[in-house]
Amino acid sequence: EPEVTQTPSHQVTQMGQEVILRCVPISNHLYFYWYRQILGQKVEFLVSFYNNEISEKSEIFDDQFSVERPDGSNFTLKIRSTKLEDSAMYFCASSEGGEARNLPYEQYFGPGTRLTVT
Amino acid sequence: AQKVTQAQTEISVVEKEDVTLDCVYETRDTTYYLFWYKQPPSGELVFLIRRNSFDEQNEISGRYSWNFQKSTSSFNFTITASQVVDSAVYFCALSPSGNNNDMRFGAGTRLTVKP
Repeated sequence: EPEVTQTPSHQVTQMGQEVILRCVPISNHLYFYWYRQILGQKVEFLVSFYNNEISEKSEIFDDQFSVERPDGSNFTLKIRSTKLEDSAMYFCASSEGGEARNLPYEQYFGPGTRLTVT
Repeated sequence: AQKVTQAQTEISVVEKEDVTLDCVYETRDTTYYLFWYKQPPSGELVFLIRRNSFDEQNEISGRYSWNFQKSTSSFNFTITASQVVDSAVYFCALSPSGNNNDMRFGAGTRLTVKP
């Protein structure tokens, strides 16, 4: 069964450094998402991406964050200058989408990347 | 507004007890999905069930069962004869209608099953 993959599984970085989290969505999916989960808290939406541009973003997704689909398979989240409070689990998700229909398209989640900022 | 409330922050039971995790949601949409995910200590989100807003039939899968009631906007999850391996954080989530809307997660319920 196809699945979303994420690399690395754990990333440790120093405050102020740039990090890039990588995701490979399911191949025929059109919508891509990043979510964040600070330790012990709920999963929060960051951004959605469709047709090579951001569709929606939350208030968490400020200028320090950017997303990119550099090729036909990868979807990346970049944090320009990490802060201690960026330490969290970051989940990538993807969904089909395309034609409008009544029911939403299901999002499939990757296993997450645990980011630790020291 | 889209919102998911899991009022139970932590639940502790003894093995073999039944336990119900509550989930109440708010949405103005008439079409949506509801989900339950399990998050073990390793951190990944393990998909348990998806239910669409048109289907109010309750579902049973082994020791797991789900009770979806649109009248009370609830989607509760029951584990029968709990086991130590059921210990995890459980999240209820809502996916509103539309192509690319963000999923809204509840705050999660930490379930501890003691031997």
